[in-house]
Amino acid sequence: KAGVTQTPRYLIKTRGQQVTLSCSPISGHRSVSWYQQTPGQGLQFLFEYFSETQRNKGNFPGRFSGRQFSNSRSEMNVSTLELGDSALYLCASSPDPRDSPLHFGNGTRLTVT
Amino acid sequence: GENVEQHPSTLSVQEGDSAVIKCTYSDSASNYFPWYKQELGKRPQLIIDIRSNVGEKKDQRIAVTLNKTAKHFSLHITETQPEDSAVYFCAATHNNNDMRFGAGTRLTVKP
Repeated sequence: KAGVTQTPRYLIKTRGQQVTLSCSPISGHRSVSWYQQTPGQGLQFLFEYFSETQRNKGNFPGRFSGRQFSNSRSEMNVSTLELGDSALYLCASSPDPRDSPLHFGNGTRLTVT
Repeated sequence: GENVEQHPSTLSVQEGDSAVIKCTYSDSASNYFPWYKQELGKRPQLIIDIRSNVGEKKDQRIAVTLNKTAKHFSLHITETQPEDSAVYFCAATHNNNDMRFGAGTRLTVKP
C-alpha cells in the first residue's frame, strides 16, 4: 500500500505570496489532518477533514485554509505569506483519528523570504 | 499543543538506562493516546498506543501507562540503545474529532 504523499517537498516563497500544498492519503483513509511543525513548537494542529468536511480547526489565522476532495486528497492554502509561516507542514491520514493512528507524509518544507 | 503538555523537553540517558516521558491532557473525553517517534529529518511514526479502557500496554522495551482519573499518561523505554535517540511526541484525541500533540521530548542515548 502506498504511503501518504505530499507535494511539493520544498517550497520557497516571498512574503505576501500564497501557496498551495497537496496531500494524497493512504488508499481507504477518509481522514486527513494537517500540522505545522517548527523547532521547539512541536506539531501544531491546523485542521482535520473527514469525507470532505472540515471537522475541526486549530488556532491559526484565516489565512490558513484547506479542503478535501471526493477522492480524499486534500490541499491546504496559505495566503499573504509571512516570515513566521516558514515551517514543515505535515499531513497525516487515518481511517479515523479518534481511534486510529495517524500515518504521516514526509512533509512540505516551506521557506518564506 | 495547548491541550497536551509533555515533560521533559529534553532527556539524556546512558545506554542501558531507562527513560520516562510524561504527558497530561485536558479533554476528559479523550480516549486514544498514541506515541510517535521522529528521527532527524524523518516523518513521525507510531511506536505504541493505548486506549482508555486499558491502564498499561507493553511492546518489548516500550511500555505506556494511562491514568484516566489524573489525566496523564507516560512512555517508558527500558534498556535504551543509541538508536532510541529521537524526538518523541505524545498525543491525545481532542473534541472527539482530531489528534493533539505534546511539544515533544528530545531523547539522547549516550553510548
